[in-house]
Amino acid sequence: DTAVSQTPKYLVTQMGNDKSIKCEQNLGHDTMYWYKQDSKKFLKIMFSYNNKELIINETVPNRFSPKSPDKAHLNLHINSLELGDSAVYFCASRPLAGGPNGELFFGEGSRLTVL
Amino acid sequence: AQSVTQPDIHITVSEGASLELRCNYSYGATPYLFWYVQSPGQGLQLLLKYFSGDTLVQGIKGFEAEFKRSQSSFNLRKPSVHWSDAAEYFCAVGAREYGNKLVFGAGTILRVKS
Repeated sequence: DTAVSQTPKYLVTQMGNDKSIKCEQNLGHDTMYWYKQDSKKFLKIMFSYNNKELIINETVPNRFSPKSPDKAHLNLHINSLELGDSAVYFCASRPLAGGPNGELFFGEGSRLTVL
Repeated sequence: AQSVTQPDIHITVSEGASLELRCNYSYGATPYLFWYVQSPGQGLQLLLKYFSGDTLVQGIKGFEAEFKRSQSSFNLRKPSVHWSDAAEYFCAVGAREYGNKLVFGAGTILRVKS
């Protein structure tokens, strides 16, 4: 069973389009994240949700809108896609936001290519 | 501000040789420290973590890391590298005072030559 699953794994689209990436975790974790890994492999946090509540928003353009319908899901919607949005987007989850057990469990990533 | 530095972008070692990957952090708090490994096309997998206690921690796949507070370092080591260890390795730091947000280093690509 996949612990953190993301769909789609690959997404190729034109500039200006709107797209979504979905993430689901079956680990019973309370906290979920979106990370962006750019072409230089640098991983940067974008958003974090704890029990459907936004707790981290790292100065991401408002074209990016996360949505958490329940604590097992965290979807990422991107409006008006730009070339610079091309990256691999990783979803991750963690048991507790405030606890010391800070291990992140990552999905396999969604590679977005904007043409 | 929190920051994590992995000074080596690429490292090449021979199979069977020892390995040390460097990680330095800048944090104004008591850090939690992690090493993750990413194989091509895959997500990140946790190798090991340090929260408190013994400063030498053991992880999976024969890896270990040592936390040195005086040097603000958390270097990853393995006594004998296998070809399957070729991957990219990320050091990450978090702290309760910063909401447990993990900050990642830029990664070190490990190549193993036979």
